[in-house]
Amino acid sequence: DAGVIQSPRHEVTEMGQEVTLRCKPISGHDYLFWYRQTMMRGLELLIYFNNNVPIDDSGMPEDRFSAKMPNASFSTLKIQPSEPRDSAVYFCASRQANYNSPLHFGNGTRLTVT
Amino acid sequence: DQQVKQNSPSLSVQEGRISILNCDYTNSMFDYFLWYKKYPAEGPTFLISISSIKDKNEDGRFTVFLNKSAKHLSLHIVPSQPGDSAVYFCAASDGNKLVFGAGTILRVKS
Repeated sequence: DAGVIQSPRHEVTEMGQEVTLRCKPISGHDYLFWYRQTMMRGLELLIYFNNNVPIDDSGMPEDRFSAKMPNASFSTLKIQPSEPRDSAVYFCASRQANYNSPLHFGNGTRLTVT
Repeated sequence: DQQVKQNSPSLSVQEGRISILNCDYTNSMFDYFLWYKKYPAEGPTFLISISSIKDKNEDGRFTVFLNKSAKHLSLHIVPSQPGDSAVYFCAASDGNKLVFGAGTILRVKS
């Protein structure tokens, strides 16, 4: 079990550029979550999917953010255009369908927008 | 509005003593609670959980207590070890999504 894999680990970009973060969940996990960690707000849930279908995107800050899950083994979080306030660590996590199953997190992508 | 609150940003404890991390929640629909531990440059990892039908769950040095009437839970680590130094996140579930607190930095001094 390779765990949840995120890429890239670090991303530095200029304001206005498009940023795409990638995630490969653990095989067999039905739920996928995108979180953002900042000093001020801790871990915020942005969006989650069940069986590749977005269920709740109420945490997505603005229309500049979008997420897709084209298949069970891949998801993307896109920011277009990026702004300095988007700088944070973005985590992807997955879990099994069992209600009590814990989330497994990737190691995150540290995004810096200058 | 923060539904899960960890009011202590940091805690410093001597090795061998007890560490107590606290968490409060506001949403009565939460029925499952978890603690995660996070080291720098890594993702959070699951530590221990408790269902709302229980008031205590123990796993080795880690014990979680739940007080539903007060909407409060705590994590006890005893004895504390230097390797326990990390950020601890409290999380609550409503059956689907997991809502996290802002985290508490624990430093265990040797």
